[in-house]
Amino acid sequence: DVKVTQSSRYLVKRTGEKVFLECVQDMDHENMFWYRQDPGLGLRLIYFSYDVKMKEKGDIPEGYSVSREKKERFSLILESASTNQTSMYLCASSMTGRGNIQYFGAGTRLSVL
Amino acid sequence: AQTVTQSQPEMSVQEAETVTLSCTYDTSESDYYLFWYKQPPSRQMILVIRQEAYKQQNATENRFSVNFQKAAKSFSLKISDSQLGDAAMYFCAYRSVNRDDKIIFGKGTRLHILP
Repeated sequence: DVKVTQSSRYLVKRTGEKVFLECVQDMDHENMFWYRQDPGLGLRLIYFSYDVKMKEKGDIPEGYSVSREKKERFSLILESASTNQTSMYLCASSMTGRGNIQYFGAGTRLSVL
Repeated sequence: AQTVTQSQPEMSVQEAETVTLSCTYDTSESDYYLFWYKQPPSRQMILVIRQEAYKQQNATENRFSVNFQKAAKSFSLKISDSQLGDAAMYFCAYRSVNRDDKIIFGKGTRLHILP
């Protein structure tokens, strides 16, 4: 089975802190994604990556950056956390190719105080 | 740009009954995939069912089936014999085959199962 692991289920940070959310997948998938999930807004894509050291902006990249130094790991970075970044963050991975589905991690619920 | 619309934020169904979740989408493409994902409370999102636009036959997975109407750009999910474990947020999603591997999600429908 594909496993996508997010390092923390719950995280509480202070405004202005630098926050790292880590995601690891064990199926050698080329693609990895970071989403933000908010009630009534569904899933919104923050960043995605097609390969090591490659990244592409999604729909809401402002206030975030990412790092992909190894194929299996994709990190989301909040350079200076703000209260409006309080949310559920979901990581996903997929193989490249038509019809391939995305596999999701369990999510990290981040609270910025 | 493609969009996915789920017009029912919440729905309820009696256990053992059948329920249909609605989804419409907008695209100018002819080749694409549609998905229904399920997110149980405090658990991982998982794929329920997948439909390729070129296949006329509606996809089925056990108690889950879709009604795919390509001309109407409609993709509804039918859950038969609803069970308590079906309670979840359900997301309809669209993926083009001509672009990158991004998926566009609807805003979700929260399904409650009444015992």
